[in-house]
Amino acid sequence: GQNIDQPTEMTATEGAIVQINCTYQTSGFNGLFWYQQHAGEAPTFLSYNVLDGLEEKGRFSSFLSRSKGYSYLLLKELQMKDSASYLCAVKENTGFQKLVFGTGTRLLVSP
Amino acid sequence: DAGITQSPRHKVTETGTPVTLRCHQTENHRYMYWYRQDPGHGLRLIHYSYGVKDTDKGEVSDGYSVSRSKTEDFLLTLESATSSQTSVYFCAISDSGLAGQETQYFGPGTRLLVL
Repeated sequence: GQNIDQPTEMTATEGAIVQINCTYQTSGFNGLFWYQQHAGEAPTFLSYNVLDGLEEKGRFSSFLSRSKGYSYLLLKELQMKDSASYLCAVKENTGFQKLVFGTGTRLLVSP
Repeated sequence: DAGITQSPRHKVTETGTPVTLRCHQTENHRYMYWYRQDPGHGLRLIHYSYGVKDTDKGEVSDGYSVSRSKTEDFLLTLESATSSQTSVYFCAISDSGLAGQETQYFGPGTRLLVL
């Protein structure tokens, strides 16, 4: 089975830094994705980690520790447009590779 | 943006009626997926396809069927809609079934309300 946990909601201020955590317990782990989803829109790909460590992509960074079943998404220099839900998804390799999604973290950025 | 469209974008139907949702892609990707998204549950896989006429069940497939007669189209049918199937339905595509860091790209979604 699989279990993916993320905080339900977070708030932050424009210009600040926020870290969104994701913990997982899953069989056949084969990578972890972060997606951004604005209200009423489709999820869009942000990052992918399969090895331990930090992947940086502009204002967004994602970290993975496979031994701890833990990842985080770090958003720097927050902007109002970063208000969205952030979905953690684990790629499982159980015959067919599929994504298992967490319930998402709703981030509200205030002025 | 990946060329994925879904139709209809919004639908209201009555309990017991059949409903078909369409996903169309212009990327020639091999893999296509149907998810539903509900508060408190995140995205859950309903069915997926790994080629024309090749489909399989996901974790919440009861009450749903799919068909893929062409690479570009993946249809999701609710055989007899129930209120529990009120949801937002997303189609997704990927080229190589998530090999390496191949990701899934999502369509705009269909909002379905079953009364």
